[in-house]
Amino acid sequence: GQQLNQSPQSMFIQEGEDVSMNCTSSSIFNTWLWYKQDPGEGPVLLIALYKAGELTSNGRLTAQFGITRKDSFLNISASIPSDVGIYFCAGQLLTGANSKLTFGKGITLSVRP
Amino acid sequence: DAGVIQSPRHEVTEMGQEVTLRCKPISGHNSLFWYRQTMMRGLELLIYFNNNVPIDDSGMPEDRFSAKMPNASFSTLKIQPSEPRDSAVYFCASSTGRSYEQYFGPGTRLTVT
Repeated sequence: GQQLNQSPQSMFIQEGEDVSMNCTSSSIFNTWLWYKQDPGEGPVLLIALYKAGELTSNGRLTAQFGITRKDSFLNISASIPSDVGIYFCAGQLLTGANSKLTFGKGITLSVRP
Repeated sequence: DAGVIQSPRHEVTEMGQEVTLRCKPISGHNSLFWYRQTMMRGLELLIYFNNNVPIDDSGMPEDRFSAKMPNASFSTLKIQPSEPRDSAVYFCASSTGRSYEQYFGPGTRLTVT
C-alpha cells in the first residue's frame, strides 16, 4: 500500500533547541495531518493542512504542506521537556475515494533538559 | 466535551478466549475507525464505518476479527478466538466525515497469553 516516509526513527535534542521533521511520499496527497502520541495515550491531532504551500502554526509548532503535495514538514521551536513523544504524519491520498488516512511510522523525539 | 471513549483500557486474556473492545465516538461524528498499533507495523487501519455502515474492512486481518456499529454512539471490535499475535494497542478514532481530521481514543492495550 501507499507509504509515508518519516526519518530518522528517533531524534535527540537539547531543551530550547528547534527541531524539524519531514514526511515524504511518492504519491500526491490532498491533506496532511500531524499527530503527537504520548506514552500510553492515543495520538492527538496537532495541525491539519489542506492546501499545497499552506503554512500553519499552533503555538510553537509550525507545519507546511509541500508545493509538490508529496511532502510536509513540522517544526517545533524552543523545545521543552513535554515535547517528548512520537510524532506521526498522516495524509489523505489525492486519488482516495474515502476518508482513509495513511500514517507514517513516526519519529520519537527526546528532549534533554 | 468528552472525546472518544474506549473500554477497557487494558485487557489480558488467554489464547482462545473471545475479546470484545468497545468504543464511543465523539457526539456528532459520523465516521468511526478502528486501528491496531504494534512496534513492528505501526498504526494499521482495520476497518472504518460511515453512518454506521462498514465502508472498508480490507485491513481486518482474518475471520477471527469482526466489528459492528449498531448505532451512532457505539461500536465493538471482537476477536474470537484470540491468539498471542493479536497482542497490540487497539485505537478507535472518529471524524465528522466532512473532514479528514480524526480524533483518537486512549486505546485498549490487549495482551493475549
